[in-house]
Amino acid sequence: DAGITQSPRHKVTETGTPVTLRCHQTENHRYMYWYRQDPGHGLRLIHYSYGVKDTDKGEVSDGYSVSRSKTEDFLLTLESATSSQTSVYFCAISRLAGEVGNEQFFGPGTRLTVL
Amino acid sequence: AQSVSQHNHHVILSEAASLELGCNYSYGGTVNLFWYVQYPGQHLQLLLKYFSGDPLVKGIKGFEAEFIKSKFSFNLRKPSVQWSDTAEYFCAVAGNMLTFGGGTRLMVKP
Repeated sequence: DAGITQSPRHKVTETGTPVTLRCHQTENHRYMYWYRQDPGHGLRLIHYSYGVKDTDKGEVSDGYSVSRSKTEDFLLTLESATSSQTSVYFCAISRLAGEVGNEQFFGPGTRLTVL
Repeated sequence: AQSVSQHNHHVILSEAASLELGCNYSYGGTVNLFWYVQYPGQHLQLLLKYFSGDPLVKGIKGFEAEFIKSKFSFNLRKPSVQWSDTAEYFCAVAGNMLTFGGGTRLMVKP
């Protein structure tokens, strides 16, 4: 398995509180991604990073921010969590970007519940 | 914009039955295609991928998929399923970004 860890693995929080999820990789891959997985929607891209301090928005970025200060770490922050952000969050990494057909490797996921 | 459709949301089969899961995509340029599998409680793992060449792609665990460009399809097949194939299956298209279909939940009855 690719060296990807996510923390925490489970979190329950209350509406309005800030939450930060961490993704850590040991593969030295350039690209990192945050997805959310919801029933019937598959995985939807929230944000991605193409290098240190280089990030961009994905399909469902509203309410989320990201930061990447080191190659190995990609943080996802919910500034003020809402119940609609209850989901399973997956981090992924890839050596190259999607358009050249490189596969992405996924972390174990974080189950977030916002009450 | 690219999109992926998986028409079968839930499939229930008995062991040894044949499997075909549909995947259709829309994208105007060259695409690369993937099938991922997610076993219960686990993360996504790559089953197979198509970049170019032979449109019939063989993956792990006896799965295969056929890319039919004229139909914008990349259907997943397995001749004989096992109970251990119970999982959720995701088709994905890499155009300018990786886009996933909604998933098909497969249950194989022993």
